[in-house]
Order: sequence, then structure tokens, then C-alpha cells
Amino acid sequence: DAGVIQSPRHEVTEMGQEVTLRCKPISGHNSLFWYRQTMMRGLELLIYFNNNVPIDDSGMPEDRFSAKMPNASFSTLKIQPSEPRDSAVYFCASSLAEGQGGGNEQFFGPGTRLTVL
Amino acid sequence: AQKITQTQPGMFVQEKEAVTLDCTYDTSDPSYGLFWYKQPSSGEMIFLIYQGSYDQQNATEGRYSLNFQKARKSANLVISASQLGDSAMYFCAMREIGTNAGKSTFGDGTTLTVKP
Repeated sequence: DAGVIQSPRHEVTEMGQEVTLRCKPISGHNSLFWYRQTMMRGLELLIYFNNNVPIDDSGMPEDRFSAKMPNASFSTLKIQPSEPRDSAVYFCASSLAEGQGGGNEQFFGPGTRLTVL
Repeated sequence: AQKITQTQPGMFVQEKEAVTLDCTYDTSDPSYGLFWYKQPSSGEMIFLIYQGSYDQQNATEGRYSLNFQKARKSANLVISASQLGDSAMYFCAMREIGTNAGKSTFGDGTTLTVKP
């Protein structure tokens, strides 16, 4: 398996522009998570999906952020308009949902390093 | 609300010695899982070990073991025979299984430096 795939790996944009981050989870996994990592705030859970349905988006910082999961193999995190304080590494992770055995550990993608100028 | 506390921002250990990284947690959910992840300087997040809240025995994975003390709500990671490649940031995390199934929280991390 290729693991969790994220694109782009690096994104540099100017304030006010729309940014779309993409994620392809591991095949067969039905939980998907979006995290943001910064030096100041550490690793924050933004939103997670079970079976393509958003379960908890309480970590989404504000209305400028939105996430979708149109099918089991694809998710997007969109920031519109972007601001310099959005600069961070954004991770996508996937796992089996609870109750499906094992430790349900999350497998992380390589992350997208976003810089907003 | 669930919370993970890692009180050691940085730790040093001599190569080949054992080291314990502390983690305490708080949750109202009776069912949860505890995880440790490693993040080397390259940035990827690597799963190390898992402990379920109802597991009777402490989890072990090679040189990693989890010292789980449920009554004290602690889940310390023990790395035996440290290697230079163990130098990294280590995160403790919790994932609820009950009411908020799936919701996960990470601690602030501990930076481990292994000295030759």
C-alpha cells in the first residue's frame, strides 16, 4: 500500500488566496483526520470523518476553513481566504474506525507545508 | 474534554540506556486508546505503540513498552537500549472509543536527544 498520500507537499501563497490541500487515505480505512502542526500550538485536530461523514469539526479555527470528503478515497481541506497565521504543516491521517479491531492507530501522510506570505 | 499532558519538553539519554517519557491523560470516556508516535526531524509521524483502556497487560513493541497505570491516568513510554536514531520528538495521544468515538488529542510532545 502506498500509505496516506497528500498533495501538494509544499505550498507558498499570498495572503487572500484560496488554498486547497488534498488527501488520499489508505484503502479500506474509514476514518480520516486533518491536523495542523505549528510550533506555538503543537498538533491540533481540525476535523475528522467516519465513513465520509464529518463527525467533529470543533477544531476548525474559523469559517475560512472547510473540509470535504466526497468519497472514501479523497478529502480536501480548503482555506479561503488564506492568512499568514495559517502557515503550518497540515497532516492528513487515516485509520480503521473504532470497533473494527486492532489498535486503530492513525497512519499519517507526509504533510503539506503551507506558507502564506 | 480530553487532555494529554507531557511534562518533559526535552530529555537527554545516553546511548544504550533506557529512558522513560511521561504522559498523563484526562477523559470522561470509559473506553479509549492510548498511542505513542515518533516524529523525527524529517517531519513524518510514525506510530510506535498502542494501549487500550481495558487491556490488562502493558503493551510492548520491540524496544518500546508502555507503562500503563489506569488509576493514575498515566501512559509512560519506555525506550530500552536507546539508539542514536531514537533522537526525535515523541507524542502521546489518546483516542476516545465511546461517546466521542474517533476524537483524538495529542500532547505537546517531548524532544528526546540520545547522546553517543
